[in-house]
Amino acid sequence: GIQVEQSPPDLILQEGANSTLRCNFSDSVNNLQWFHQNPWGQLINLFYIPSGTKQNGRLSATTVATERYSLLYISSSQTTDSGVYFCPSGAGSYQLTFGKGTKLSVIP
Amino acid sequence: DAGVIQSPRHEVTEMGQEVTLRCKPISGHNSLFWYRQTMMRGLELLIYFNNNVPIDDSGMPEDRFSAKMPNASFSTLKIQPSEPRDSAVYFCASSLWGADAEAFFGQGTRLTVV
Repeated sequence: GIQVEQSPPDLILQEGANSTLRCNFSDSVNNLQWFHQNPWGQLINLFYIPSGTKQNGRLSATTVATERYSLLYISSSQTTDSGVYFCPSGAGSYQLTFGKGTKLSVIP
Repeated sequence: DAGVIQSPRHEVTEMGQEVTLRCKPISGHNSLFWYRQTMMRGLELLIYFNNNVPIDDSGMPEDRFSAKMPNASFSTLKIQPSEPRDSAVYFCASSLWGADAEAFFGQGTRLTVV
């Protein structure tokens, strides 16, 4: 199946800083989502973005399907952004394959 | 819609006991997924249903695990007998159609087998 590599694995930010999280895929993807798993364990949908660019407030995401990667931009980070970010995807299959995630800690 | 609803939120059971986890998908969604999350293995797919029919259960760890979807609004994941290594957070997710659509996750069931 598809392999999902996320970077960086860990990230510590001062509140107000910007960051970019990256996902690389071993195969072409036809569905891709970004999730935020908060400290309480909830998986919160951020974007459904198999291709193109989307923005939602301080967050935006870009997927370049032909080059097999996706980026999540977080601007003006807040402590509530802390948690683990995932970018599961599927390559022609139903299965959303998860990577190990990026653990983000935003400190005041 | 209330989203994907899972119950119970927490379950503590003794080794050897039967455990049943429950899931109500989002109304109108025709695909349902059971995932398990552990520190060692991360999030892994256990089984997938489409239109109430199990499509692929290759992720189910062993015969002690079984899943059913008797109708479009309800699914169960059963472990019998349970073992300490089954301790994990179990998530249910649903989507509108197949995999090429946005999936939504329930809040998960934290299972502890002692």
